[in-house]
Amino acid sequence: AQKITQTQPGMFVQEKEAVTLDCTYDTSDQSYGLFWYKQPSSGEMIFLIYQGSYDEQNATEGRYSLNFQKARKSANLVISASQLGDSAMYFCAMREGWAGGTSYGKLTFGQGTILTVHP
Amino acid sequence: DTAVSQTPKYLVTQMGNDKSIKCEQNLGHDTMYWYKQDSKKFLKIMFSYNNKELIINETVPNRFSPKSPDKAHLNLHINSLELGDSAVYFCASSQDSGGTDTQYFGPGTRLTVL
Repeated sequence: AQKITQTQPGMFVQEKEAVTLDCTYDTSDQSYGLFWYKQPSSGEMIFLIYQGSYDEQNATEGRYSLNFQKARKSANLVISASQLGDSAMYFCAMREGWAGGTSYGKLTFGQGTILTVHP
Repeated sequence: DTAVSQTPKYLVTQMGNDKSIKCEQNLGHDTMYWYKQDSKKFLKIMFSYNNKELIINETVPNRFSPKSPDKAHLNLHINSLELGDSAVYFCASSQDSGGTDTQYFGPGTRLTVL
């Protein structure tokens, strides 16, 4: 079973508008972390934002915010005021925090969403 | 200063050869990882080391052998390269292997096997 699902292969947004990239996850752990990474065409993986499973408030980092809905197991990334430089592939990832399990410590990634920002 | 660096950035080689990719981090982190990104951009963990000790070893052919001389370095050696090994290999590091520490990635090494 896929642990991280990103259902949008591609998204388009007009410059200066907001966009939401979807991510749902599956885990039976109580302690876990959710991450978003950006991969521009140059290929590097850039960390954007982190949400812990016990965090009561949604994470924010500048123009990035994470819409965390624990009961729905969703962790959508919201990018406000899109810029041309936001065009990239975006990955949602989960790190399960339970010590001793086979998944302990590793990041499980979704399939990615390609975001294109139009001028 | 680059936090997580990898060399080389590009590697083109023939089938059957042996090659190594080097990774270094200057963040003072305890844990380092190798991930493989395939042609469809899917990222999957291969190995992780915590303080030079192997803690994650996914289902990876034993032609792949990680080596950690110290906690700042994690190298990946690949024997008898095959066409299917062509991919981008990312090194990453985090403060420790527990909980939900953020992993920071290197720039990637694009391996092409001809």
